This record gives sequence, C-alpha cells and structure tokens, in this order.
Amino acid sequence: QLQLWESGSGLVKPSQTLSLTCGVSGGSMSGGVYSWGWIRQSPDTGLECLGWISHGGIPYYKPSLKSRLVISIDRSKNHFSLILNSVTAADSAVYYCVRVFRDGYDLHFDLWGQGARVTVSS
Amino acid sequence: SYDLTQPPSVSVSPGQTASITCSGDNLQNKYSSWYQQRPAQSPVLVIHQDNKRPSGIPERFSASKSGDTATLTISGTQIMDEAEYFCQAWDISGVVFGSGTKLTVL
Repeated sequence: QLQLWESGSGLVKPSQTLSLTCGVSGGSMSGGVYSWGWIRQSPDTGLECLGWISHGGIPYYKPSLKSRLVISIDRSKNHFSLILNSVTAADSAVYYCVRVFRDGYDLHFDLWGQGARVTVSS
Repeated sequence: SYDLTQPPSVSVSPGQTASITCSGDNLQNKYSSWYQQRPAQSPVLVIHQDNKRPSGIPERFSASKSGDTATLTISGTQIMDEAEYFCQAWDISGVVFGSGTKLTVL
C-alpha cells in the first residue's frame, strides 16, 4: 500500500528557507491522473493547498505563494520536495504531502502523509 | 476569494444520523469532496466527486448535493466517527477547503 512520509526542517528562522521532502513508499509514483502536492494546516488559516507537481514535472502553485514556492519531483528516488523562501510566522503550520487525483472537474486528495510540524521562530 | 461555509459543530447520538452541510457559490457546478480528521491524525478522504466513496470507507458515509449545498451524511453514527469533517472543492481560481465541522457523538 502506497504511503507518504514527510521529512525536513521543523524549526526555521524568519526570512530563511523552509525545506521539506516527501518520500513515497510501497509503490512507484504513478502518473496519469495523479500529481503530488503539499497542503498545510494551521489554527488560523485551516487547510490550505499550496500546490502540486505532475508526474511530468509541471507545477501548480497557489497564486499568493507563487513567488516564494518551489515544488520539485525526483521519480528515480521516489520523492518530491517543497521549498518555501522568506518565511514568516504566518508560515508556521503542519505540512502534509498528498497525492492529488485530477480528472476533468474532479480534484481531490486521496493519500496524505502523517504531517510535519514547522515552526517559524528566531 | 471563494469560500465554503460549514457549521462549526454538529452533535449526534450514537446510532443516529448526522448531517453536515457545506455551502458555496456555484457549488452545484463543482465537484465536492469530504475529509475526516480525527484528533492528532491526518485527514482521510471519505467522499469524492460529490457522492463517491473510496474503497475502505464504510457504507454509512454518504453525500449528496442540492443546489449550492453539499451534505455529508453519516448513518448509524458510531463513537469512532467523532472527528472534524472538511469539505473541499476546486475551480480555475484554486482549491478551497471549508473551515471544518466538529462532529461530537454523545
């Protein structure tokens, strides 16, 4: 059974870079209707989809984060990554990596990692 | 920005039926999905494409849509169903989640 798991920096200083990686185990990173994405959750903003990257490496970013966000994929290593630059306290959240199903007008998140808590603080 | 509105909380007695609503402009023309999040756990997809249940999700979970309101229904609610439930939709402007409904089973 496919599983996702996040790893990376749990504490980041303001103005620095947040970096997370999502490992995919129990199978390969399939393409077709599936992309690979990131969602974060905080008490203030709830669930927020940051973006995703397709099997072919085409990213989608939430417009308000586009200038600070990079999502990349390495299919040979079965992982994908998130880099968020110039972080502030507002970026503190639990970050989930997810598998994104997209087919026509249907888009949903059918697999979630266990979540990685990230705190932005000096 | 696009918003999905959910009631903050719903209470139900064990064995009874719980209904959680999600409203949004033009939701009738978008697909809705629902997620269950138990305390200290990751969200789990329970409904997608308005009313389809992923494999492994109990049959007591169902959903429907009427106009711009989607409804998640849990029949014969069990103690283990106590959780927060989020609706989600998307269109060209992006992905939106509702603010969540805490379901209390007591």
